[in-house]
Amino acid sequence: AQTVTQSQPEMSVQEAETVTLSCTYDTSESDYYLFWYKQPPSRQMILVIRQEAYKQQNATENRFSVNFQKAAKSFSLKISDSQLGDAAMYFCAYLYSGGGADGLTFGKGTHLIIQP
Amino acid sequence: GAVVSQHPSWVICKSGTSVKIECRSLDFQATTMFWYRQFPKQSLMLMATSNEGSKATYEQGVEKDKFLINHASLTLSTLTVTSAHPEDSSFYICSATPATTDTQYFGPGTRLTVL
Repeated sequence: AQTVTQSQPEMSVQEAETVTLSCTYDTSESDYYLFWYKQPPSRQMILVIRQEAYKQQNATENRFSVNFQKAAKSFSLKISDSQLGDAAMYFCAYLYSGGGADGLTFGKGTHLIIQP
Repeated sequence: GAVVSQHPSWVICKSGTSVKIECRSLDFQATTMFWYRQFPKQSLMLMATSNEGSKATYEQGVEKDKFLINHASLTLSTLTVTSAHPEDSSFYICSATPATTDTQYFGPGTRLTVL
């Protein structure tokens, strides 16, 4: 069974600075997707970024980028120019893409605090 | 695009009663929807996969007779918590995947409190 580990329960960063959230995962599959979701106090899950495992190029969405290391099974999220609106819980998630519809496996989350 | 709604957003019920939660994909069709449960300060745990026109698939440890799932159309899945007890109090979130992607889009969640 696949597992997702987020080893940082909480991170704090000054506004406008850069922060990196860590995520490692374990799977025996070669075809999968990885995601970062954001959950603000409203509790609405918001997709931040996704990465297909077969792609070597790291995904980027504006101020958000990932460092995907497939061999190391590592998938970190970098947030540049942090803004107050980035404060939220961030969840790393894994999805097997080998066939059929599967649910996401989530890490325990990292609470990101933005210091003004 | 890819908007998912849930209703109600919160519900309080007495122990022993049943509660129905609706999950709708508003601008796309979804043959598969997912139901998750989130306890306070914890992560999301997959409860079941809802399949349009067929039986739901439940994760290990989830009682299918307690959490009834009906996926009657390509835009609606319902979760009924039967004979609810205080330990069923939680935040229930659904998600759905458009046919053109593998990305799951989430509803805003339903907070259930059982007294």
